[in-house]
Amino acid sequence: DTGVSQNPRHKITKRGQNVTFRCDPISEHNRLYWYRQTLGQGPEFLTYFQNEAQLEKSRLLSDRFSAERPKGSFSTLEIQRTEQGDSAMYLCASSPNWAGRRGNEQFFGPGTRLTVL
Amino acid sequence: DQQVKQNSPSLSVQEGRISILNCDYTNSMFDYFLWYKKYPAEGPTFLISISSIKDKNEDGRFTVFLNKSAKHLSLHIVPSQPGDSAVYFCAASPSGAGSYQLTFGKGTKLSVIP
Repeated sequence: DTGVSQNPRHKITKRGQNVTFRCDPISEHNRLYWYRQTLGQGPEFLTYFQNEAQLEKSRLLSDRFSAERPKGSFSTLEIQRTEQGDSAMYLCASSPNWAGRRGNEQFFGPGTRLTVL
Repeated sequence: DQQVKQNSPSLSVQEGRISILNCDYTNSMFDYFLWYKKYPAEGPTFLISISSIKDKNEDGRFTVFLNKSAKHLSLHIVPSQPGDSAVYFCAASPSGAGSYQLTFGKGTKLSVIP
């Protein structure tokens, strides 16, 4: 399977705990994105990496959130001191280099569902 | 302020008939549009896209129409099949190197009745 993979698929934690999610993009894709989706909403952009460089962060990404992509391969998203409002589906997507392409088709993983009690 | 709007939360269609899902946008900088399909407990799956230089793009049973002057696009599914039952998201981005961010609508839940 060469799609985007995410682990864990589900995470239940208590308020105040730290959690970390992992995303493995499609191997030849150099661009990686994190989105958050809450009930009844579409995915909302959080952050974007081109190779190992984090090039953009949404205002939704508070200082409790940090994302990394060491060596431009897999990525991790950490949430510190979780709050009940952090409960959501966290989606990772990847896309190939834009050279010669007009559009930005992003390919999503299955997501990690976070529940903060 | 929603920049991509899908005003119909749900749609029911008989199997074999046409499904038409609509999407409106407000940001004039958007010039690339995508449709994603999402089943429960899965991530969105890319379906079809269209650039603003076109007004129609077709892929099998799926056709996307773009009306730039009205800032409106639609997805047609013909014929509809029960396996098409899912939530459909419209997404948009500007073109060029800065077009990393997709802006999504809230989705339309399509139910195809056998």
